[in-house]
Amino acid sequence: GAVVSQHPSWVICKSGTSVKIECRSLDFQATTMFWYRQFPKQSLMLMATSNEGSKATYEQGVEKDKFLINHASLTLSTLTVTSAHPEDSSFYICSARSEVGTQYFGPGTRLLVL
Amino acid sequence: DAKTTQPTSMDCAEGRAANLPCNHSTISGNEYVYWYRQIHSQGPQYIIHGLKNNETNEMASLIITEDRKSSTLILPHATLRDTAVYYCIVRGVGTDSWGKLQFGAGTQVVVTP
Repeated sequence: GAVVSQHPSWVICKSGTSVKIECRSLDFQATTMFWYRQFPKQSLMLMATSNEGSKATYEQGVEKDKFLINHASLTLSTLTVTSAHPEDSSFYICSARSEVGTQYFGPGTRLLVL
Repeated sequence: DAKTTQPTSMDCAEGRAANLPCNHSTISGNEYVYWYRQIHSQGPQYIIHGLKNNETNEMASLIITEDRKSSTLILPHATLRDTAVYYCIVRGVGTDSWGKLQFGAGTQVVVTP
């Protein structure tokens, strides 16, 4: 299947700092990417839909000013967690949608905010 | 998109077929059934999807009932590496547009030696 990568795979940061996570579709172009968050023992929750060349669409309850999304090219989307706090600690997973509609997921980024 | 219902957990013996059920009684005509799995601490992995016909690939088979209100994912010969949470998701597909993949609780499958 198609390959989606994320970087970094894990990050530890101090409270109040910002963290950027990259998501790349390695062998296909993706006009649409998605960002999910998963807390321990819970399912994935969709945070936002990232569209190449336009503004992201956020799910209800997700703060757009806190979770900045940039989809600058057909193979790259970034999620920046601004002024991170301990409650933002989670497993962040991106997904890229292929031309035929199948979504492929990255390996995830584990964020720990101290 | 239609909601799905899956058992919370199931066990399967290594080497045997694993049959994972999913109910989606409110599915509509343009909605596909997708299956993903998530091995612990990894991103979800795409398995298979279908509309109304049965589908098979190198990983699994998907059997959809004639009324499309339920489906079964079949792992033909389960291995220990198939231990994961399996998600059945219904997603609408329209002309030039797709619905969102929303994850439920899934089924925790444990394959035992």
